[in-house]
Formats: sequence, structure tokens, C-alpha cells
Amino acid sequence: GIQVEQSPPDLILQEGANSTLRCNFSDSVNNLQWFHQNPWGQLINLFYIPSGTKQNGRLSATTVATERYSLLYISSSQTTDSGVYFCAVDSYGQNFVFGPGTRLSVLP
Amino acid sequence: DSGVTQTPKHLITATGQRVTLRCSPRSGDLSVYWYQQSLDQGLQFLIQYYNGEERAKGNILERFSAQQFPDLHSELNLSSLELGDSALYFCASSADTVINQPQHFGDGTRLSIL
Repeated sequence: GIQVEQSPPDLILQEGANSTLRCNFSDSVNNLQWFHQNPWGQLINLFYIPSGTKQNGRLSATTVATERYSLLYISSSQTTDSGVYFCAVDSYGQNFVFGPGTRLSVLP
Repeated sequence: DSGVTQTPKHLITATGQRVTLRCSPRSGDLSVYWYQQSLDQGLQFLIQYYNGEERAKGNILERFSAQQFPDLHSELNLSSLELGDSALYFCASSADTVINQPQHFGDGTRLSIL
């Protein structure tokens, strides 16, 4: 089945810094989503982005489907951005597969 | 608020017992998905239902079963519970089972086996 990798596995930032999280996948996808899991365990849907670029406030995402990767940009990070960021994909006819996540800690 | 409701939020039980987790999808969504998040396995897809019918199966144990009812809510039944079944169980829903539909997740049920 499809393989999903995320990098970096851990990231520590000072408040106000910018960051880029990467998701690589091994096959064509028809669905790609980015999620933020907060310290209470809730999975928050950030972007549905099988291709192209989207922006939502301080967050933006780009998926280059032909090169099988997606990037999540966080600008002017805040302590509330801390948590684990997951990329999840499903390929045609396959199940939704999550990456291992990037654990982000934003320090005040 | 994703619109997906899961109950209960927390469940504590003992080995060998049986529990039922409940999920109400977003209004209008026909597909329901169940996922398990454990410390050692990460987030894994268990099973999908679409309009009452099973559509896809992932890494779901034989001790686990699910169903989707005519009102589209779904239940995940876990039996003969083992310590390793302790995990966060998520339900998600989407409008359709066809491609190009985002999934919306509930807040999860945290299951602890003592």
C-alpha cells in the first residue's frame, strides 16, 4: 500500500518563528489532508489539498501531486500551534493512510 | 466543531470485557470511518461504512466489529478486550465514498483497559 513519510519528526520553535513541514507519499493520491492534533487529542482538519495551494490565516499548504509531496507552512508561530501535525492520504481504491506526524513545540 | 459526535469521551474497563463506541456523522454525510490511535501503531484505519454497507476494511481485529444504522449513526463494538486495545478511537465522516471528499473527525473516545 501507499507509504507516507513526514519530516522533521520533531520541531522546536520560538514564538514568532516560521516553519515548513513536509509530507512525502509513494503513490498517486486523490485525497490529502493536513491535521493538527492538539494536546487534548482532538484532530483538527487544517486543509483538504490533493493538489495546488491553499491559505488560511497564518497557515498555508501546497501539494505537488506529480512529485508526490505536500508542504505545510506555519508563519508567526504561537504557543497554541503546539501539537502533532499529521498528513493523511488516500490513493485510488485504497484506505486513508496517516503519516507518523511532526511534533511541534512552540516556546514562549 | 467538526459536526461529528462521538460518545462516550472516556471509557475505562477491564480485560475480557466488551464495549460499544458510538458515532453520529455530520448531517448529510453518508460515509463513516473508524480509526485507532495507539502509542505504538500510530493512527490506523479500521473500517468504513457507506449508507449502511461495509465499504473498506483495514487493520481491524476479528474481536472488533462495526455497523452503520439506517439513521447513519455507527457503532464500533470491541470484545474480549486486551491491554493492548487501550487507545484513542476516532470516527470520521464524509459526504460520499467517492474520491475528492474530505473527512471530518470527531473528538475521539479514549479507551483505557485496566
